[in-house]
Amino acid sequence: KQEVTQIPAALSVPEGENLVLNCSFTDSAIYNLQWFRQDPGKGLTSLLLIQSSQREQTSGRLNASLDKSSGRSTLYIAASQPGDSATYLCALDRDNYGQNFVFGPGTRLSVLP
Amino acid sequence: EPEVTQTPSHQVTQMGQEVILRCVPISNHLYFYWYRQILGQKVEFLVSFYNNEISEKSEIFDDQFSVERPDGSNFTLKIRSTKLEDSAMYFCASLKGGYEQYFGPGTRLTVT
Repeated sequence: KQEVTQIPAALSVPEGENLVLNCSFTDSAIYNLQWFRQDPGKGLTSLLLIQSSQREQTSGRLNASLDKSSGRSTLYIAASQPGDSATYLCALDRDNYGQNFVFGPGTRLSVLP
Repeated sequence: EPEVTQTPSHQVTQMGQEVILRCVPISNHLYFYWYRQILGQKVEFLVSFYNNEISEKSEIFDDQFSVERPDGSNFTLKIRSTKLEDSAMYFCASLKGGYEQYFGPGTRLTVT
């Protein structure tokens, strides 16, 4: 059974810092890994999708990497801003069709002005 | 930009009542999902739906739950007889196939 963990559980940084969020998984037989952002009481906003054949994806100040062999993904946020404050979730599926998408518990990020 | 929509945003119901949560997935998507998130806990997969039938379901999705795509646009989750522990945020998602899942804003279900 796939287990997904995220470290740290919470992180507080001053504005402007670069930071790394970690996602670990136990079963490397994954197809896609997706990073989401969740604001309090709100839905999930997709940030980046990495397919299993890819090693990283970039969107603006965000860069996500995937190392299937070690069961790890990282989300790098450059030049953090207060508006980045949210919970960041990683999620994995084992096929191309989102079957039994498994979520990590999330990292709660606070960026202080 | 197309988006997944869900109604209602908040539903309050009494224990034992039936509820139907509604979702309108993105129009050219083929795969549809329901997830739930109990307050303070992980997002959990409930069920996936493709070609008018359930393709996979989790242990949570027992006989009290059902899903339906009654027409070409809506996708519904029915809970037959709600329990207090069904209180959660329920998210609908859709996917085109090979790409990212898009999530709706969620319906907060409160069972009293």
